[in-house]
Amino acid sequence: DTAVSQTPKYLVTQMGNDKSIKCEQNLGHDTMYWYKQDSKKFLKIMFSYNNKELIINETVPNRFSPKSPDKAHLNLHINSLELGDSAVYFCASSQAGRANEQFFGPGTRLTVL
Amino acid sequence: TQLLEQSPQFLSIQEGENLTVYCNSSSVFSSLQWYRQEPGEGPVLLVTVVTGGEVKKLKRLTFQFGDARKDSSLHITAAQPGDTGLYLCAGAPGTGGFKTIFGAGTRLFVKA
Repeated sequence: DTAVSQTPKYLVTQMGNDKSIKCEQNLGHDTMYWYKQDSKKFLKIMFSYNNKELIINETVPNRFSPKSPDKAHLNLHINSLELGDSAVYFCASSQAGRANEQFFGPGTRLTVL
Repeated sequence: TQLLEQSPQFLSIQEGENLTVYCNSSSVFSSLQWYRQEPGEGPVLLVTVVTGGEVKKLKRLTFQFGDARKDSSLHITAAQPGDTGLYLCAGAPGTGGFKTIFGAGTRLFVKA
């Protein structure tokens, strides 16, 4: 029944490693997003895909690479992890015409040691 | 530059009190959304306001969109401990679009 799901919920890894976070939505939405929430709880958009096409790519290091195999999935791969990448990453989705009404996943807490 | 300024940043009140949270901008928004986020979870959409001057009610929560569509407020009547959480306003400046900007949030704590 979960609308937007993310895996894993927690991710602890060493600096320099490569890791992926997966996101799936079963709402039939055509747009998906990745957000980063820092320690001060500020939510900042990273990427957005609409019908599998990248439409938003904020000033994010190119170590971050999103991939959308289909409209229901949006994954985030991070290469060469750095300490500053530690944050909570949220996936979200929205439907056509209501882009700002977003449904969020439970988040992935990434800790880079 | 913060496009959406929220105030206060933190609010601690007793159960039963009323409170108002503000979301201000110098930009015009086609719509504004309010979300609530609880610890360990993602934000949950509460409401969308679209028309300047619009007022929407959700039980004890009243949302208002400014006439010029540059600001919004959230008023909670008779706050309860269950209202505790991080309240976020959000929107896409200009004519809208996919790039949603979030305010820094107001952290509300309601004591029993």
